[in-house]
Amino acid sequence: NAGVMQNPRHLVRRRGQEARLRCSPMKGHSHVYWYRQLPEEGLKFMVYLQKENIIDESGMPKERFSAEFPKEGPSILRIQQVVRGDSAAYFCASSLVLAVGDEQFFGPGTRLTVL
Amino acid sequence: AQKVTQAQTEISVVEKEDVTLDCVYETRDTTYYLFWYKQPPSGELVFLIRRNSFDEQNEISGRYSWNFQKSTSSFNFTITASQVVDSAVYFCALSGPTGANNLFFGTGTRLTVIP
Repeated sequence: NAGVMQNPRHLVRRRGQEARLRCSPMKGHSHVYWYRQLPEEGLKFMVYLQKENIIDESGMPKERFSAEFPKEGPSILRIQQVVRGDSAAYFCASSLVLAVGDEQFFGPGTRLTVL
Repeated sequence: AQKVTQAQTEISVVEKEDVTLDCVYETRDTTYYLFWYKQPPSGELVFLIRRNSFDEQNEISGRYSWNFQKSTSSFNFTITASQVVDSAVYFCALSGPTGANNLFFGTGTRLTVIP
């Protein structure tokens, strides 16, 4: 029973390039969350998605960042025209149901480095 | 607004000592959940415990124990007889406001256990 999968585990981009981060939730989970962890900081919520719907994107930067969770396939976090400040670890989590406090299972994270 | 404070940025202990990691939270919700996660040097997030706001009973799991006190809005974590493998960053987290399911994380406490 595979856990939450994220790929790539490490991603290096030059300033101005695009970064695509993928997340496959646990089997049967239809709720996906993305968090960002800047160096030496805690995780900060970015966006919450269900299949084909963005439910809460209150933590997403207004520009350059987008997320999707299509009917088929993984959830994608896309960062356009990356800048050095985007260097961080990006974690995806999934949950089975929508209930306050429902356990979120985290993936191993994608570490993005912008040169 | 939800807020989690982990005042201890770094703690070092000698192996076999007991250590307590502090977590203080703020919320206006009457129903909420608190979590602890461990982030070892490899970077993944390991779920340790979830506690709901109506259950103030302390919990013990092996060398780990948790002390939840609603009166002081604290959810402290104690490791008894620490081991080198306990070295990690530990995060306390609080569920989002009612109707939201994202987690609010503290900034983490880096624990180093010296052999």
